Amino acid sequence: TQLLEQSPQFLSIQEGENLTVYCNSSSVFSSLQWYRQEPGEGPVLLVTVVTGGEVKKLKRLTFQFGDARKDSSLHITAAQPGDTGLYLCAGGYNFNKFYFGSGTKLNVKP
Amino acid sequence: NAGVTQTPKFQVLKTGQSMTLQCAQDMNHEYMSWYRQDPGMGLRLIHYSVGAGITDQGEVPNGYNVSRSTTEDFPLRLLSAAPSQTSVYFCASSPDGGGVGNQPQHFGDGTRLSIL
Repeated sequence: TQLLEQSPQFLSIQEGENLTVYCNSSSVFSSLQWYRQEPGEGPVLLVTVVTGGEVKKLKRLTFQFGDARKDSSLHITAAQPGDTGLYLCAGGYNFNKFYFGSGTKLNVKP
Repeated sequence: NAGVTQTPKFQVLKTGQSMTLQCAQDMNHEYMSWYRQDPGMGLRLIHYSVGAGITDQGEVPNGYNVSRSTTEDFPLRLLSAAPSQTSVYFCASSPDGGGVGNQPQHFGDGTRLSIL
């Protein structure tokens, strides 16, 4: 059983569409990070959210941390083919451990 | 800027063989960790270290050993390889752990390991 559940697992959309990816847990995290991973490479950090209710924007990406710090969402506006990749959320837990979700594989078709 | 360097990039082993996956970072990070990534499972923490001489277990430590004799290096040893250990292994480093400072983890490009 994964500590962090991501949904959906797979998402295939047309260029220009909007999408939301969810990351949920029954545990409280001290921080929540979102990473993007491309084939053959390691994950690369997109954002860290720390405060419950926090919203961060990174160009067309909007990240939100739930009020209770148990869940998070990633919203992409007007998706582009360059957004294609595996999106992973990771929770900072018990000070020295990161737990990753199973990932959302996004494919944006031109 | 090297960042986190993992070697080898690919490896094929026979069941029962042992080997060491190497990981080195040049950012003077205290925290280092090893993950394995399997399809549909995301990344699962194997072992981690908060500084030289200190290591601890993650979610899936069985069958793996680690040591941290220097700040820069954090090797992962497979004692007796099993087909269930076929996976992609990632090493990561960070200035601190998951709950303090909330610093990002910097990942290497992975080692693709197949156990026959």
